[in-house]
Amino acid sequence: AQKVTQAQTEISVVEKEDVTLDCVYETRDTTYYLFWYKQPPSGELVFLIRRNSFDEQNEISGRYSWNFQKSTSSFNFTITASQVVDSAVYFCALSEYQGAQKLVFGQGTRLTINP
Amino acid sequence: DAGVIQSPRHEVTEMGQEVTLRCKPISGHDYLFWYRQTMMRGLELLIYFNNNVPIDDSGMPEDRFSAKMPNASFSTLKIQPSEPRDSAVYFCASSFGGFEQPQHFGDGTRLSIL
Repeated sequence: AQKVTQAQTEISVVEKEDVTLDCVYETRDTTYYLFWYKQPPSGELVFLIRRNSFDEQNEISGRYSWNFQKSTSSFNFTITASQVVDSAVYFCALSEYQGAQKLVFGQGTRLTINP
Repeated sequence: DAGVIQSPRHEVTEMGQEVTLRCKPISGHDYLFWYRQTMMRGLELLIYFNNNVPIDDSGMPEDRFSAKMPNASFSTLKIQPSEPRDSAVYFCASSFGGFEQPQHFGDGTRLSIL
């Protein structure tokens, strides 16, 4: 069965620090997709990135970067030079080819960036 | 382009009342999902539709919950009768294509059952 674990419940850092959010997943499928979503204090869920199981290249988008390692079943998210606007709950999610379109979410990590 | 639109944004009602949540997916999307978010259980998938047909409702907690999608641009989630434990944020999401596509979420409906 598919499972996503975000062991860090809450993280608090000072602005401009770098911070990494961990995501570990479990799946028996060889074809799957991983996602990160952001939920700011206003409550909506915002899609950030998608990565498929055949593409282990890391990705960078501005201050955001993602590190996908199949060997450790991890898909970690790093924010460089954090800003107060980055404060949100971040969710990692997994969708399997055999998973009947189901997107399974981790419990989320609440990130607080202090000025 | 308009995103997923949910209404109402907030709903407060008394136990036993019927509650109807509404969702308009992104035009052209063929999948529609209903989720519930609570502190205790996180984000849970309740039901999803493909081309207006319910595919998996195994996440619907009880017979008090029902969902319909009469056409490609509208879906409802109904709770009758409502109970205090149904209090949660309910999200609707849509996507174009299958499991590989990102789901786009509405702003959610914050439901409080007194």
